[in-house]
Amino acid sequence: GNSVTQMEGPVTLSEEAFLTINCTYTATGYPSLFWYVQYPGEGLQLLLKATKADDKGSNKGFEATYRKETTSFHLEKGSVQVSDSAVYFCALSDHQAGTALIFGKGTTLSVSS
Amino acid sequence: KAGVTQTPRYLIKTRGQQVTLSCSPISGHRSVSWYQQTPGQGLQFLFEYFSETQRNKGNFPGRFSGRQFSNSRSEMNVSTLELGDSALYLCASSLSAGLAKNIQYFGAGTRLSVL
Repeated sequence: GNSVTQMEGPVTLSEEAFLTINCTYTATGYPSLFWYVQYPGEGLQLLLKATKADDKGSNKGFEATYRKETTSFHLEKGSVQVSDSAVYFCALSDHQAGTALIFGKGTTLSVSS
Repeated sequence: KAGVTQTPRYLIKTRGQQVTLSCSPISGHRSVSWYQQTPGQGLQFLFEYFSETQRNKGNFPGRFSGRQFSNSRSEMNVSTLELGDSALYLCASSLSAGLAKNIQYFGAGTRLSVL
């Protein structure tokens, strides 16, 4: 079945450091891929998405590229801020499951000044 | 434009009781999905409704049910509550259903504690 695997956290970084959170997936067909972020006490917010191979999603300095050959969708940011501290979820949806999202376990990011 | 609204934000129930959670989608959105978030299992899909019909269902027991009204508002019901039902229940809305590229917008969730 479909699944998403992302790196375990927590990830602890200093402000202005480079961030990578790894995400790989298993899916039949050609899924759409998403990164969501969850701040403490809140629901999920869409950070970025990519719907086909080689697409690059980007938002607020975060980027991720849909790599079909490596079944990956790694999240990167060149310079993190304290305000980026949150839990990040990689997710996929495919044509068989329709809109339903399958999530990774989440990665907690903590950025200190 | 108002976002997805979930009520109540917090609930405390005892084992064996039943509970109903409510979700109002973004105006114009016709699809509503429900997810359960727990520390152990993470985020898991419960079901999706579109035009008052259940379109998709996750792997949860029949104690979990839902419905959608003509105004797209949705309710989720859990009967005979168990301790393991303690979780954050998230509702998400999207414009339509069945398309993998659809963006889902999430509410802040209802935190259910079962004692």
